[in-house]
Amino acid sequence: AQTVTQSQPEMSVQEAETVTLSCTYDTSESNYYLFWYKQPPSRQMILVIRQEAYKQQNATENRFSVNFQKAAKSFSLKISDSQLGDTAMYFCAFSLSGNTPLVFGKGTRLSVIA
Amino acid sequence: EAQVTQNPRYLITVTGKKLTVTCSQNMNHEYMSWYRQDPGLGLRQIYYSMNVEVTDKGDVPEGYKVSRKEKRNFPLILESPSPNQTSLYFCASSEAAAYEQYFGPGTRLTVT
Repeated sequence: AQTVTQSQPEMSVQEAETVTLSCTYDTSESNYYLFWYKQPPSRQMILVIRQEAYKQQNATENRFSVNFQKAAKSFSLKISDSQLGDTAMYFCAFSLSGNTPLVFGKGTRLSVIA
Repeated sequence: EAQVTQNPRYLITVTGKKLTVTCSQNMNHEYMSWYRQDPGLGLRQIYYSMNVEVTDKGDVPEGYKVSRKEKRNFPLILESPSPNQTSLYFCASSEAAAYEQYFGPGTRLTVT
């Protein structure tokens, strides 16, 4: 079974600084998908970024980028120019191809400090 | 507006009293799923459905039932709720598990 590990339960960062959230996963498959979801205090789950394992180029969405290391099974999220609105729980998630279950990590609570 | 709706948003009930949490999506998605979120455990999948009349167990299916009679609806049924089912529940839909999941607003369930 696939597993996703987020080793940092809580992190904090100063406004305008850069922070990196870690995620590792375990799978024997070669074709899969990785995600970062954000859950602000409103509880709404929002997709931040998606990476396809067969693509070597790291995905980027504005201030959010990933460092995807397939051999190391690592998928970290970098948030640049952190803003107060980035304060949230961040979940890393994994999915195989097709309609197999999505597996989430336990989350990292990020606080952005003014 | 593309959305996933859940009802009720908040529910307090007693042990053993059957309840249903409804979930509906208007995006014609084939894939729908239910998750529960507990502190320190992240989101865990309860059940998922790949299409009408096709459902399958996730990681924590015990004590729950689902049905998928229509493409847009995927209700979660607790036949005999117990206190350990107190949790925050999310319904989600997508084209497939490998694509972006669209989440409902969540249902906060308390079983006393």
